[in-house]
Amino acid sequence: GDSVTQMEGPVTLSEEAFLTINCTYTATGYPSLFWYVQYPGEGLQLLLKATKADDKGSNKGFEATYRKETTSFHLEKGSVQVSDSAVYFCALMNQAGTALIFGKGTTLSVSS
Amino acid sequence: NAGVTQTPKFQVLKTGQSMTLQCAQDMNHEYMSWYRQDPGMGLRLIHYSVGAGITDQGEVPNGYNVSRSTTEDFPLRLLSAAPSQTSVYFCASSYLAQETQYFGPGTRLLVL
Repeated sequence: GDSVTQMEGPVTLSEEAFLTINCTYTATGYPSLFWYVQYPGEGLQLLLKATKADDKGSNKGFEATYRKETTSFHLEKGSVQVSDSAVYFCALMNQAGTALIFGKGTTLSVSS
Repeated sequence: NAGVTQTPKFQVLKTGQSMTLQCAQDMNHEYMSWYRQDPGMGLRLIHYSVGAGITDQGEVPNGYNVSRSTTEDFPLRLLSAAPSQTSVYFCASSYLAQETQYFGPGTRLLVL
């Protein structure tokens, strides 16, 4: 079945460091891919998405490129801020369009 | 627009009690869903609905009941609460299935 694997956390960085959170997937066809972010005590917010191969999603300085050759959708940011501290979830939409399949989440902690 | 709203924010139940988690959206979205979030497991789909009067099971439906009598509301019922249902519950909606889902703030449930 469909699945998403993302790197284990926690990831601890200093402010202005480069961030990469790896995400790979297994799925039928070419699913839409998403990154959601969950700030402490809050619900999930859509961070970015890509709907087809080679698409690049971007938002708030974060980027991710849909790579069908490596079935990956890695999240990157060139310079993280303390306010980026959160849990990041990679997800794919199943083929029927009825469910998001989530990775286990990666906790990012940024210190000043 | 209020977006997706959930009540209550926090609830404590005793084993065997029943309760209903409320979810409402004011965006005229056809698709609504319920997920549960457990530590180290990401989010898993419980039930979903593609429109009023239509519901279906997700990955972990046992112990939960849903109905969709209006477009706006999608309540989740726990018929006889068990400690294994201790979790954070998120409601989500989208204009149609296969489109980007928007999440509510969550309900934290503790079953003793």
